[in-house]
Amino acid sequence: QKEVEQDPGPLSVPEGAIVSLNCTYSNSAFQYFMWYRQYSRKGPELLMYTYSSGNKEDGRFTAQVDKSSKYISLFIRDSQPSDSATYLCAMTSGGQGGKLIFGQGTELSVKP
Amino acid sequence: SAVISQKPSRDICQRGTSLTIQCQVDSQVTMMFWYRQQPGQSLTLIATANQGSEATYESGFVIDKFPISRPNLTFSTLTVSNMSPEDSSIYLCSVGLAGAQEQYFGPGTRLTVT
Repeated sequence: QKEVEQDPGPLSVPEGAIVSLNCTYSNSAFQYFMWYRQYSRKGPELLMYTYSSGNKEDGRFTAQVDKSSKYISLFIRDSQPSDSATYLCAMTSGGQGGKLIFGQGTELSVKP
Repeated sequence: SAVISQKPSRDICQRGTSLTIQCQVDSQVTMMFWYRQQPGQSLTLIATANQGSEATYESGFVIDKFPISRPNLTFSTLTVSNMSPEDSSIYLCSVGLAGAQEQYFGPGTRLTVT
């Protein structure tokens, strides 16, 4: 079993839709959770970063962490064609040299 | 955050040869990491490169195949040695800032081995 599971999609939605992207994990030591956006032929770009459980909002993006269920989500409101990319969740237990463990990535396509 | 550049951005190489990838950061950072991303796959950590110490390699990756240098706090290189078509991949460097858990990535080097 992988430490982090993420549905690879692809996910296709119409412009303006609410998008929900999810990851589950097995290691209860994970405390720091990230979402990266990766456009085709580009490096991953840090989108959201949260520590422990709770919600964090940044514009149209909301990250949720439920440590009791070992489940994290990224919501995108009013999705735009420019949101079309691969979204990767990543997490770590922290500390010096703490390794990031990545999900497989979900490919999202927002159709105009 | 940090601004990271990589050279080359892409290359096509013959099997049996070696390629050295450079990673330059616009500020001094302690932690630098090298990842591989195979087509349609997620990121796999190759090694962690800290200035002043030998790189720490992940299971499945060895120094003879992927030698790493970290001569100062803003620069690192990864060499892919004795390449085979299975080494065709995107190679990414990232940095971790002091006291932070998140990492920032370079644009990647797209390597094709023929």
